[in-house]
Amino acid sequence: DTEVTQTPKHLVMGMTNKKSLKCEQHMGHRAMYWYKQKAKKPPELMFVYSYEKLSINESVPSRFSPECPNSSLLNLHLHALQPEDSALYLCASSHLDRDRETQYFGPGTRLLVL
Amino acid sequence: AQSVSQHNHHVILSEAASLELGCNYSYGGTVNLFWYVQYPGQHLQLLLKYFSGDPLVKGIKGFEAEFIKSKFSFNLRKPSVQWSDTAEYFCAVISGGYNKLIFGAGTRLAVHP
Repeated sequence: DTEVTQTPKHLVMGMTNKKSLKCEQHMGHRAMYWYKQKAKKPPELMFVYSYEKLSINESVPSRFSPECPNSSLLNLHLHALQPEDSALYLCASSHLDRDRETQYFGPGTRLLVL
Repeated sequence: AQSVSQHNHHVILSEAASLELGCNYSYGGTVNLFWYVQYPGQHLQLLLKYFSGDPLVKGIKGFEAEFIKSKFSFNLRKPSVQWSDTAEYFCAVISGGYNKLIFGAGTRLAVHP
């Protein structure tokens, strides 16, 4: 089973709203990732969690706040977003063993900021 | 900085034609290489990967890729495409023991019946 699930599938929010994106995997992966994908562009890494600790933050604005409550869950809290933050937000997970480090992606949350 | 280049941004083929999509990476050390596919309206799916060993790797749906270390290349091939192969294809690399996946810009493939 290589399934990563994400909720919600679609989200529309105003610039003053607070919302959260959720990601879940049950593959025993100890690394989880958030990516942002704009239309017709490749995914861009935002955050990496290794063993539930934030290991990479790709200089993401503070209006995006990640959280990893346990090894199976990853959240992305959104606050005071801008219209240019509208995009597909992808979650991924992988083993941390170098020889098995394949990232598996969820279906994404399509976010529209009005 | 590491980078991945995909030479073809748009490719249009007729069904049964052969496919080769180019991918070059810039990192000179040990790399793990991937091809992902994104069908219209769907999420990224792993097509195939190379970690070590036989440089010719086979993936799902009849795709294969060849790792040529001297050319820093990992080209994707399929001998006969189908209409259902219409999708965006991304080459990606992880290098240096660091779990940061670097994507190429992608190649949009359209296959006409």
